[in-house]
Amino acid sequence: DAGVTQSPTHLIKTRGQQVTLRCSPKSGHDTVSWYQQALGQGPQFIFQYYEEEERQRGNFPDRFSGHQFPNYSSELNVNALLLGDSALYLCASSSLGLAGGGAYNEQFFGPGTRLTVL
Amino acid sequence: GIQVEQSPPDLILQEGANSTLRCNFSDSVNNLQWFHQNPWGQLINLFYIPSGTKQNGRLSATTVATERYSLLYISSSQTTDSGVYFCAVVGYSTLTFGKGTMLLVSP
Repeated sequence: DAGVTQSPTHLIKTRGQQVTLRCSPKSGHDTVSWYQQALGQGPQFIFQYYEEEERQRGNFPDRFSGHQFPNYSSELNVNALLLGDSALYLCASSSLGLAGGGAYNEQFFGPGTRLTVL
Repeated sequence: GIQVEQSPPDLILQEGANSTLRCNFSDSVNNLQWFHQNPWGQLINLFYIPSGTKQNGRLSATTVATERYSLLYISSSQTTDSGVYFCAVVGYSTLTFGKGTMLLVSP
């Protein structure tokens, strides 16, 4: 059973560029959440996707956008990159369930994408 | 939003020692998870424990939801236990993380 996968593992960009990160959820999961982890900090919630729609959003600017595909995989896009966007980007998957109560279900994380903005 | 505080922030142990990590949260929660982050950044699930007590080998966890805290116990620590331990809670639908406890186990 494949776990959560993310690509690429590392990425180096320059200020002002745009980046796309990808995530495939664990088999059987339908919900994908994205987190940003700065050095020495805990992960911060960016947004969550379910049924191809953004369901929840954290305190991140509109430069951060996402998408979920019919196969439940997801992309995180960041436009107009800033030096402060350098971080580890983590994707987590879970099973929301038909009743929606699955919002409380266990989340599983991918290995992350380490983004460096120069 | 929910505030999550972890203590201690740093912990240094000799191999074989026991330790207790604490997680306090500011409001009632629907989910609580403990993670171990390895040096490569991978978050490894340790426990999904919104309430009660669970054990997995040398690790165990207890969450007292009514008093808004959770404890992670590590017994007979090994060098491979080194890393950052995170507590994360769900109030409504998303995980809110603490700042973590950095554990170093020396041989």
